[in-house]
Amino acid sequence: GQQLNQSPQSMFIQEGEDVSMNCTSSSIFNTWLWYKQDPGEGPVLLIALYKAGELTSNGRLTAQFGITRKDSFLNISASIPSDVGIYFCAGQKGGSEKLVFGKGTKLTVNP
Amino acid sequence: DGGITQSPKYLFRKEGQNVTLSCEQNLNHDAMYWYRQDPGQGLRLIYYSQIVNDFQKGDIAEGYSVSREKKESFPLTVTSAQKNPTAFYLCASSIDLRRELAKNIQYFGAGTRLSVL
Repeated sequence: GQQLNQSPQSMFIQEGEDVSMNCTSSSIFNTWLWYKQDPGEGPVLLIALYKAGELTSNGRLTAQFGITRKDSFLNISASIPSDVGIYFCAGQKGGSEKLVFGKGTKLTVNP
Repeated sequence: DGGITQSPKYLFRKEGQNVTLSCEQNLNHDAMYWYRQDPGQGLRLIYYSQIVNDFQKGDIAEGYSVSREKKESFPLTVTSAQKNPTAFYLCASSIDLRRELAKNIQYFGAGTRLSVL
């Protein structure tokens, strides 16, 4: 099955730094979702995007639906230790009932 | 509280044994999904069901089976035909996709870690 290209694979940052990660695809998507997964737990939805160009915030998190509809970005500002985890993007094509997931970005925050 | 409950949290399988992972949701969601997660692989879809008594194969259905006899429940059986079953298994659910096809927000359970003895 298709997977999204998510980068970077991993990030090691200092507390207080900003973080950026992105997902790209060769196909057009109608919906982009961003999830966070803590170790040994299931993914939790952070942000949902439904419209090309849409910019949505959730606290220190901001995500954008790319205008080409083939990419999406997630930014975390002023990182804190509890931001540690794996961040996944997921996309849905028009007419499909399935989500396509990226392989995740593993974030480590050093205090 | 509303949510998705997976059990057990940890499961061990012997050679040639079938094991069943439980997934129950009280969100009144119509659609349910099973994913397999391996390190560095992201989530891969095993099976999904949009309605009771109906389900479809995902990308890696071989060696797995499911049933959907009740709206709330979607158990996954890992059969002896699955030669590499060690993984983290995630169940998810979402609202009726036929009504909100453009908004497939899936909510996940806490997962079951399956290991082979």
